[in-house]
Amino acid sequence: AQSVTQLDSHVSVSEGTPVLLRCNYSSSYSPSLFWYVQHPNKGLQLLLKYTSAATLVKGINGFEAEFKKSETSFHLTKPSAHMSDAAEYFCVVSLYGQNFVFGPGTRLSVLP
Amino acid sequence: NAGVTQTPKFQVLKTGQSMTLQCAQDMNHNSMYWYRQDPGMGLRLIYYSASEGTTDKGEVPNGYNVSRLNKREFSLRLESAAPSQTSVYFCASSEAAALNQPQHFGDGTRLSIL
Repeated sequence: AQSVTQLDSHVSVSEGTPVLLRCNYSSSYSPSLFWYVQHPNKGLQLLLKYTSAATLVKGINGFEAEFKKSETSFHLTKPSAHMSDAAEYFCVVSLYGQNFVFGPGTRLSVLP
Repeated sequence: NAGVTQTPKFQVLKTGQSMTLQCAQDMNHNSMYWYRQDPGMGLRLIYYSASEGTTDKGEVPNGYNVSRLNKREFSLRLESAAPSQTSVYFCASSEAAALNQPQHFGDGTRLSIL
């Protein structure tokens, strides 16, 4: 069975400082991994995906994530936070596509 | 360029009432999904349709039924609404129920059961 742990329910950073949102997963096989962002009263938007190619994945809006198999981690980073990054972020593990498992989410606040 | 469209956006029901949530996608995707989102729990899969003509249960199917009307449309029905079904419901689609296919989401239906 697959599962996803997002280690922080809420992260608060100052504008212009780095962002780190942590995600650990468990899966019996090599999964696909995704990060989605959800702005208030909106659906989820794909930020980036890992699909067994390069372990460092670049996404939209300056976000990156690094797949570390030995640590079963897929942490999301951004060098410099912007006010518009304030949102809920979900780490997702997928095996065979129809079995998406979502983490509980991390709410990112960006302070001026 | 609508993507995934859900109707209605908001709905209030009384316990025991029935209703159908509608979802349509214009990306020619084969697979469609219904999720519910509750605080602190991420999204949980209710039902999915890997391809036109097929539907399967997800993690939390009890109290729901679905219909894959055609390739574009996938509806979710609550036969007898209960307060525990108060939630935000998201429809999603993907090219195929296969590895490496990200899902595209609608903006959600906010449903309150009194």
